[in-house]
Amino acid sequence: AQSVTQPDIHITVSEGASLELRCNYSYGATPYLFWYVQSPGQGLQLLLKYFSGDTLVQGIKGFEAEFKRSQSSFNLRKPSVHWSDAAEYFCAVGAEEYGNKLVFGAGTILRVKS
Amino acid sequence: DTGVSQDPRHKITKRGQNVTFRCDPISEHNRLYWYRQTLGQGPEFLTYFQNEAQLEKSRLLSDRFSAERPKGSFSTLEIQRTEQGDSAMYLCASSLAGQGFDEQFFGPGTRLTVL
Repeated sequence: AQSVTQPDIHITVSEGASLELRCNYSYGATPYLFWYVQSPGQGLQLLLKYFSGDTLVQGIKGFEAEFKRSQSSFNLRKPSVHWSDAAEYFCAVGAEEYGNKLVFGAGTILRVKS
Repeated sequence: DTGVSQDPRHKITKRGQNVTFRCDPISEHNRLYWYRQTLGQGPEFLTYFQNEAQLEKSRLLSDRFSAERPKGSFSTLEIQRTEQGDSAMYLCASSLAGQGFDEQFFGPGTRLTVL
């Protein structure tokens, strides 16, 4: 079965500082990997996805993520955080062999200090 | 192109009552998913449809839960005899079936509070 671990429940960074949110997954073959963002009381917005090819993927709002097969990781990064980035971030994994459902991590709440 | 919509956005009910939520997917999408998100957790898969066929149900979907997609367009999720443990955000997503894994587009969710 697939699983996703986001080790950091909360992260606080200063505005303008760089950000890295960690995500580790457990799955045998090559998974499909996603990062979503959720503002309070809202649904999920897709930031970026990895399906195949270049292991460094670019997303919206200046985010990027790198797939590292050897580490089973898909960490999300942003070089300079803006106050509007404060939200909850979810890493998710999917695989055709397990149907079309997504398995999500527990999320990381990002706080931005001004 | 309107996104996925859900109705109502919020529902407060008393324990033991029945509730029904509606999801309208993106119009050309043939797959529709329901997820549940409790406080402090990521969304958990409940069930999904391809057209009107319900193809998979999670163990989380107890007998009190039923989902339908009668004409392959909108879907309803009904919870009978609600319990306090049903309090959660219920998220709907839709996708267009293709090769490989589909990208899912999420609606704003329905927040259920059971008193």
